[in-house]
Amino acid sequence: SQQGEEDPQALSIQEGENATMNCSYKTSINNLQWYRQNSGRGLVHLILIRSNEREKHSGRLRVTLDTSKKSSSLLITASRAADTASYFCATDAREYGNKLVFGAGTILRVKS
Amino acid sequence: EPEVTQTPSHQVTQMGQEVILRCVPISNHLYFYWYRQILGQKVEFLVSFYNNEISEKSEIFDDQFSVERPDGSNFTLKIRSTKLEDSAMYFCASSLLAGVTDTQYFGPGTRLTVL
Repeated sequence: SQQGEEDPQALSIQEGENATMNCSYKTSINNLQWYRQNSGRGLVHLILIRSNEREKHSGRLRVTLDTSKKSSSLLITASRAADTASYFCATDAREYGNKLVFGAGTILRVKS
Repeated sequence: EPEVTQTPSHQVTQMGQEVILRCVPISNHLYFYWYRQILGQKVEFLVSFYNNEISEKSEIFDDQFSVERPDGSNFTLKIRSTKLEDSAMYFCASSLLAGVTDTQYFGPGTRLTVL
């Protein structure tokens, strides 16, 4: 299966609720990055977490990394309608050189 | 805040024609990349470029593709003879350091439609 797989595939929540998205990967990594993509638009970088880090925060975003389980989660707290987008994790596995390998993404819909 | 820019935002071309997609990476960045995203599918790596040469390329990046940094600011992707299956969103990205240690910043993309 693919490096960097997100779940769920789709998530629908009410404004104000928290949204959690998960990412699993197969090989050792140097870092893991989360990106957001609004429909038909470019990729916006959210957070980079290095393999020696366990947790990182940026505003309403919290990312965790568990290298023993080869998984990461992205938590968006107090979601807003503007958070509606696709969210992707991307890994730069050591075997893959300096390219990013993206998962299929989680489509998040925040209802107001 | 500095950003990666891409032109055009949308390119329509006939099968067999050559297209050049243009990117202006962030000015002090040293590593440049092209990715593509076929509609509804994952973002896929095409090629990385450093010090005026390709450092890595995927199996997608065959002889029909080439990249160039013609001057100090532009980074281009050329598709020599487009096929229908080349229709996709093409993203340029850049990073200050090698991607394994640094954030890759993406441009807004060029939507390529091959008819």
